[in-house]
Amino acid sequence: NAGVTQTPKFRVLKTGQSMTLLCAQDMNHEYMYWYRQDPGMGLRLIHYSVGEGTTAKGEVPDGYNVSRLKKQNFLLGLESAAPSQTSVYFCASKEDASNYGYTFGSGTRLTVV
Amino acid sequence: SQKIEQNSEALNIQEGKTATLTCNYTNYSPAYLQWYRQDPGRGPVFLLLIRENEKEKRKERLKVTFDTTLKQSLFHITASQPADSATYLCAPEFGNEKLTFGTGTRLTIIP
Repeated sequence: NAGVTQTPKFRVLKTGQSMTLLCAQDMNHEYMYWYRQDPGMGLRLIHYSVGEGTTAKGEVPDGYNVSRLKKQNFLLGLESAAPSQTSVYFCASKEDASNYGYTFGSGTRLTVV
Repeated sequence: SQKIEQNSEALNIQEGKTATLTCNYTNYSPAYLQWYRQDPGRGPVFLLLIRENEKEKRKERLKVTFDTTLKQSLFHITASQPADSATYLCAPEFGNEKLTFGTGTRLTIIP
């Protein structure tokens, strides 16, 4: 099992450019999450999904959009990147609404210049 | 909004001793609380989950306690080893299946 796979692993964007981060899981998990991690801030929830075709806002959703067209994939889009979006992005998934731990991907390090 | 505080940014412990990490939260109690380990450049890895009606949970050398009166969880690593060196994250769940993460405690086990 690959678990949770994030692509790309690294990316440098210019201000105003757009990009999509892909998260894929092969565990048939219902719940998927996008977090960003910044020094001294901890992991902050951007958007999440409780099942195929659903999305919801987290703590810091502004400047990001998401889609969950297929159960195994959760896409995070930046329409017009800003330097404040420089961060490490983590995707996570969970089996269902029971009390399970999250499985995280290895992260995408994004720099916006 | 809920605030999660982990006792210190960094903790150094002698090999073989017990490491104790603290997680405090404000306002109302979570339905459950999770602990994760994160190594540099890697994603967090789930370790343990404890529910609000449980006082203690164990897994091998790991032990978690949950005190809803004190609004605190303690994470213990007994017989610590240099391989236990990592950042440990506390993550309560306050509803809607979303975890709120603390900023973490960087633990170093000194040989």
